[in-house]
Parts: sequence; structure tokens; C-alpha cells
Amino acid sequence: DVVMTQTPPSLSVAIGQSVSISCKSSQSLVYSDGKTYLHWLLQSPGRSPKRLIYQVSNLGSGVPDRFSGTGSQKDFTLKISRVEAEDLGVYYCAQTTHFPPTFGGGTKLELK
Amino acid sequence: EVQLVESGGGLVQPGRSLKLSCAASGFTFSNYYMAWVRQAPKKGLEWVATISTSGSRTYYPDSVKGRFTISRDNAKSSLYLQMNSLKSEDTATYYCARHSWDYWGQGVMVTVSS
Repeated sequence: DVVMTQTPPSLSVAIGQSVSISCKSSQSLVYSDGKTYLHWLLQSPGRSPKRLIYQVSNLGSGVPDRFSGTGSQKDFTLKISRVEAEDLGVYYCAQTTHFPPTFGGGTKLELK
Repeated sequence: EVQLVESGGGLVQPGRSLKLSCAASGFTFSNYYMAWVRQAPKKGLEWVATISTSGSRTYYPDSVKGRFTISRDNAKSSLYLQMNSLKSEDTATYYCARHSWDYWGQGVMVTVSS
């Protein structure tokens, strides 16, 4: 199985700050079609997960552009510019390139 | 608007069975792989099962293989998870989701306890 390692496990941030979350996979996430099926999800407190970014860098519908995703092969980053209160929660990276699909352990974003 | 609504959760004794349902609307259900993902209390996300568009192919992790069965009824736009021989470690919130992770249900709680 592909192991997804997220760092840091938690982040304490002030509103308006920028933060980055790292996600590293144990195998390349490039599929045979040339696409990379690495996604970022946010689970706000008491809510279901919501997909923010798909295929490394594509913003989901309605997701503000202060979120951005970069990376390739086995190394990926989610950046949040100018954090707002609604951004707090647990962020997960997830891959669907390989079976079984796997998730990172999560990064909890909290207010400083 | 895409909606996924789970039902069927509850408290069940170890070794017993439970069947979850997920009613889908707002998209052409038969065009999408569907999945179940669970989250134990205060823990991360764990994939539980995936089913192909026709239902002919199903996939499970070792932790539930042989005990859980995913199925679908495309005519009813519904997804199911039959859970047998339940264990305490199956206690979690179970989410129905499109396999691309772009839409998720609200989740349903399953508690396995005597």
C-alpha cells in the first residue's frame, strides 16, 4: 500500500498568516495516463471531509484561490495564503492513483 | 445539487450484522465509482470499500475483506454496505463518497459494543 506521510501533524496559526503542509508518498503517484491523482481534503470540526484540490493543483468548485497545491511524483505541498477562521480543521492528503486508495494522517490547523 | 445521504447506523453487539445505505441524487449515479470511508473516534480517514460503476468489481482492505460487502442499485441511485461479524474496532463514522473524493455524505455512526 502507498503510505502518505503528512507534516506537520499540527499547526498553530494567526488569522492572516500563510502556512504550508507537506505530503510525501512512498511511491510515485503518476498514473499510467500521465496524471497524478493526489488530492487535498479539509475536514472542518463536526463536518464531513471536503475536497479542496484535486490532481495536485486544481481547485475544487467554490474553493477560494488562497489555497494552492504544488508538487510532483512523491512530494506535494498545500499552501494556504492569508488564513481565515473558516480554514481551521484537519487537512488530509489522499491518493487514488494506486489501489488501495490511502490517506495521510492529517494536519490539524488551529488558531494561535 | 449533489447529495449523498447515509442511513442505517446504530449500536450493535460484537459478532452481529448491520447494513448501511446511501441515497444519491443530483448526478448520474451509474457513471461513478462509489466508496465507503470510515473514521474511528478522534482518528483519521480509512478507506473501507469501492465498487465499480456496474457493480461487477469490488475492492476492500484486508481489515474488512470477507466481512463487509459493498453493493449498489443503479436504478435506485443507492449504495450499500453490508457489515457482518462486526468487531469493536469497526466502531466509526461511516461516510459514503464518490471515489474521486469530490462529494461526501454527512456520515453515519456505527458503534459495536456489548
